[in-house]
Amino acid sequence: DVVMTQSPLSLPVTLGQPASISCRSSQSLVYSDGNTYLNWFQQRPGQSPRRLIYKVSNRDSGVPDRFSGSGSGTDFTLKISRVEAEDVGVYYCMQGTHWPITFGQGTRLEIK
Amino acid sequence: QVQLQESGPGLVKPSQTLSLTCTVSGGSISSGSYYWSWIRQPAGKGLEWIGRIYTSGSTNYNPSLKSRVTISVDTSKNQFSLKLSSVTAADTAVYYCARGLGRDWGQGTLVTVSS
Repeated sequence: DVVMTQSPLSLPVTLGQPASISCRSSQSLVYSDGNTYLNWFQQRPGQSPRRLIYKVSNRDSGVPDRFSGSGSGTDFTLKISRVEAEDVGVYYCMQGTHWPITFGQGTRLEIK
Repeated sequence: QVQLQESGPGLVKPSQTLSLTCTVSGGSISSGSYYWSWIRQPAGKGLEWIGRIYTSGSTNYNPSLKSRVTISVDTSKNQFSLKLSSVTAADTAVYYCARGLGRDWGQGTLVTVSS
């Protein structure tokens, strides 16, 4: 299985400050069709996961533009330009290139 | 917008079979080139992709569960289902159904394995 490694696992952030989460995969996530199937999810307390970013850098509809994704190959990053209170929760990266689909361990974002 | 809703028993006895159904509303399960998946999350832990099914009936299962998992689809009812056999306490989790690579998720249903 492709191992997805996130860091940090805990991320205390002051309101209004930026935040960044790293995700590294044990294999390249470039698929044979040329796409890189790396998604980011947010899971607020007591809620289902919500997809924020798909294929590395594409924001889903309704996702604030303070969220952005970047990276390539095996190294990816989710950035929040200015953290708001509603951003508290656990963030997961997920690869959909190789079967089985696998997730990172999750990064818990909290307000300092 | 497509909505997904899981249903099924919240309590299953050890060694029995867990059965869940996901009902899709707001669109046809057969439209588009999506596949439909089951994902689970033990309390306080991370996410595990169980398997997926295309509306053609083609399936992929996580090798870690493959010998115990069956996913099926009923396009006439706009539903797909999960069966997990020989369950143990380790299968206690919130079970989610989802579309594609996580574009849409159900609210999740807690299944507890206990006698």
